[in-house]
Amino acid sequence: EPEVTQTPSHQVTQMGQEVILRCVPISNHLYFYWYRQILGQKVEFLVSFYNNEISEKSEIFDDQFSVERPDGSNFTLKIRSTKLEDSAMYFCASRRTSGSLYNEQFFGPGTRLTVL
Amino acid sequence: QKEVEQNSGPLSVPEGAIASLNCTYSDRGSQSFFWYRQYSGKSPELIMFIYSNGDKEDGRFTAQLNKASQYVSLLIRDSQPSDSATYLCAVKGGGSNYKLTFGKGTLLTVNP
Repeated sequence: EPEVTQTPSHQVTQMGQEVILRCVPISNHLYFYWYRQILGQKVEFLVSFYNNEISEKSEIFDDQFSVERPDGSNFTLKIRSTKLEDSAMYFCASRRTSGSLYNEQFFGPGTRLTVL
Repeated sequence: QKEVEQNSGPLSVPEGAIASLNCTYSDRGSQSFFWYRQYSGKSPELIMFIYSNGDKEDGRFTAQLNKASQYVSLLIRDSQPSDSATYLCAVKGGGSNYKLTFGKGTLLTVNP
C-alpha cells in the first residue's frame, strides 16, 4: 500500500541553524501539506501546496519557513534560522484531487525536530 | 479564530463497552469532519470522515454529525485495548485547499 515517507525521523539542530525536512508524498497525489505538533499540543496546519505553489499558509508559516518541490517526488520544508520554539513533530501529508478518497489526507510518520 | 474543541480526557472504558467521543466546532462554514486516531509518538491515522448530517457507520465505528448544533461525535462499539489512543477531531472549512483544523484530542483508555 502506498504511503507518505519522511526523512529524517529525528533531527537535532542548534538554534539559528537551517534545517530541511524531506517528504515523499504518495505518487498520484497532487496536494501536499505540512503540519506540526508541539509536544502535548494540537496538530497545527502550516502550509498547503498545489501546482507548484503555496495555496494557503497559516500565521505560523512566516518568512523563516519555505517549501519546495525540487523534483517530481520530493516535497521539502525549510526552516532558515531555527528557534527553540520550532521544536516539534512535523508531519507531511498528501491528498488526491479526485476519486472516492479525495477527502483523505494521508500523513507521513513525522520528523521530530529538536532545537537546542 | 476557528476552533475545534474536544474533552481532553482521559476517557476510560472497560473492554467491550461503547466509547463516546465528542467534538464541537466554531466555524459554521465547515464542510467535512474527520476522526483521526493517534498513538503516542505516531502520526494521525484517519478512521472516518463525514459531511452529511446524521450517522455514518464503518465496522465498530459510527460518526455522527449535527451541523445545526455544530457537533460531531465518534462511537466505538465493542472497545478493545488496541483502541487505546488519542482521538483527534479535525474539521475542513470552506475552500478547496482542504486545510484541516484539529482539536487537541481525547485520550481513550480501554481497560482489559
